[in-house]
Amino acid sequence: DQQVKQNSPSLSVQEGRISILNCDYTNSMFDYFLWYKKYPAEGPTFLISISSIKDKNEDGRFTVFLNKSAKHLSLHIVPSQPGDSAVYFCAASAHRDDKIIFGKGTRLHILP
Amino acid sequence: DTAVSQTPKYLVTQMGNDKSIKCEQNLGHDTMYWYKQDSKKFLKIMFSYNNKELIINETVPNRFSPKSPDKAHLNLHINSLELGDSAVYFCASSYRNTGELFFGEGSRLTVL
Repeated sequence: DQQVKQNSPSLSVQEGRISILNCDYTNSMFDYFLWYKKYPAEGPTFLISISSIKDKNEDGRFTVFLNKSAKHLSLHIVPSQPGDSAVYFCAASAHRDDKIIFGKGTRLHILP
Repeated sequence: DTAVSQTPKYLVTQMGNDKSIKCEQNLGHDTMYWYKQDSKKFLKIMFSYNNKELIINETVPNRFSPKSPDKAHLNLHINSLELGDSAVYFCASSYRNTGELFFGEGSRLTVL
């Protein structure tokens, strides 16, 4: 029972262009959403989050958009850089202090 | 100066053996977690402790026993290892109400 779905296992984007990673969720109780980035042989690192009271949160090159009615969120990276090549995990929780449910991840390749 | 450290990083063992993975965090967080990433790449929560008290136990077989001697440490002991236990185990920590986890590098367990 996947409550957080990342349907694209991988994505390739030209350096300098926009990368858009998508995530869908099924649990309407989720009210806090996060993106994590993971390099090989390392643990995931927190990237950006958004509360359900917002529909957009921006941090430098990273912007997360939340569409509650569609139960969909996306991470935009612009411009994409070689160091952005990594696996990106979408995650969600119902209340900030509850367990965080992760998706399977999307591998992003930034092409030179 | 590693924030969340796990040992060992790699562990190869035979079925039926008992093994432990240790985790320590120096971030002053009050909550620690164990996540399992299996061959399908899902990151699934196993346990969570807040100030040495178990707060999440995700229907993990009782062969898995977490132990938290203090809020900076959360160790995972696994009895009677099975082939299906092969995975990467990630320790993480956070302040309970932030939802932002800090992960260790992971411990890759291979059961032969």
